[in-house]
Amino acid sequence: DTGVSQDPRHKITKRGQNVTFRCDPISEHNRLYWYRQTLGQGPEFLTYFQNEAQLEKSRLLSDRFSAERPKGSFSTLEIQRTEQGDSAMYLCASSLSGPHGYGYTFGSGTRLTVV
Amino acid sequence: SQKIEQNSEALNIQEGKTATLTCNYTNYSPAYLQWYRQDPGRGPVFLLLIRENEKEKRKERLKVTFDTTLKQSLFHITASQPADSATYLCALEDSGNTPLVFGKGTRLSVIA
Repeated sequence: DTGVSQDPRHKITKRGQNVTFRCDPISEHNRLYWYRQTLGQGPEFLTYFQNEAQLEKSRLLSDRFSAERPKGSFSTLEIQRTEQGDSAMYLCASSLSGPHGYGYTFGSGTRLTVV
Repeated sequence: SQKIEQNSEALNIQEGKTATLTCNYTNYSPAYLQWYRQDPGRGPVFLLLIRENEKEKRKERLKVTFDTTLKQSLFHITASQPADSATYLCALEDSGNTPLVFGKGTRLSVIA
């Protein structure tokens, strides 16, 4: 397993366009998370899945954002009608779930620039 | 309101010294606390996890302490090297198996 893969690495889009990002987690991991990070800040939680079920979505997340994880494997994050404030690094992570606690494995992220 | 605060945005230390980074939290009851390293343009990399009933955890040159009374975790890197220069993020999992909440990070520079 090569870790968590994210595609694309970079995306430049015009304001108002839709964008979609993909994340391939570690295959044994049943949890998948999406975070957003801006310069000088820590990762900010967006949403997460356990298998194919979306269990939580941040209250700060606009309705323009939607995520899916069909069949509990890869996940996509779509942003509709992008705004300049959406410019950020979008990070995907995966982990196991359980009572003992597990570290997350992050991908390298997708850097989105909205112009 | 809930807060996670890492003591400083940046910390400069001399090679060979021990770096100590602080993470304080307010209005959380964390089951676990984790530390990550992040290099520019990359995703965070998991370093250590410490549970609420553990006082200390070590891994090679790294040591983490967790004081639930003070609501604080300390992260130590002994015999620091220039290759340790990075941003270090504190993250906690609140009770109830919830997703990690991250601090802003501390940027560590180890000067040769």
